[in-house]
Amino acid sequence: AQSVAQPEDQVNVAEGNPLTVKCTYSVSGNPYLFWYVQYPNRGLQFLLKYITGDNLVKGSYGFEAEFNKSQTSFHLKKPSALVSDSALYFCAVRAPQTGANNLFFGTGTRLTVIP
Amino acid sequence: DAGVIQSPRHEVTEMGQEVTLRCKPISGHNSLFWYRQTMMRGLELLIYFNNNVPIDDSGMPEDRFSAKMPNASFSTLKIQPSEPRDSAVYFCASSRTTVNSGNTIYFGEGSWLTVV
Repeated sequence: AQSVAQPEDQVNVAEGNPLTVKCTYSVSGNPYLFWYVQYPNRGLQFLLKYITGDNLVKGSYGFEAEFNKSQTSFHLKKPSALVSDSALYFCAVRAPQTGANNLFFGTGTRLTVIP
Repeated sequence: DAGVIQSPRHEVTEMGQEVTLRCKPISGHNSLFWYRQTMMRGLELLIYFNNNVPIDDSGMPEDRFSAKMPNASFSTLKIQPSEPRDSAVYFCASSRTTVNSGNTIYFGEGSWLTVV
């Protein structure tokens, strides 16, 4: 079975400081990993994904994530947080070996950037 | 590209009434997904289609829920009869799926359903 854990419901960070939103996964075989962001009253927006290749993936709005196979993690990072980054962030996983095309989502982490 | 289009954006209905949510996927996408988001349960996959065929409907809560995809550009999710516990945000999403591809799923803005 596939699953994703986001251990922090809430992350607070001061504007200008680096931010990290944590994600760990459990899947058979090699995972496809995704990050999405959800602003209030909006749908989920795709940020970045890891499929294969370089473990450090760069995405939209200056975000990046590092795939760590040994730790089964895919933490989202940004060097300098903006107030406008405040939103709900979801990590998701797909196990392509299963043939399933859908994503399994974590419970989400609410990021608040404090001015 | 117009993105995934959902309607209605907001609906308030009385318990027992039929609710129909509509979705137009991104043109050229061959997979369509219905997700439900609630505070208690987070994001749940209800059903997904590949090439208009339902592949996995194990997430559909009960017989009151049904989904159809009559063609590549339209899908509906119907709840009949609706109950207050169905109140949630329902997202439609689509992707261009090939075998073992790392295809991205793109979401619509959601249909916010309140059953009173």
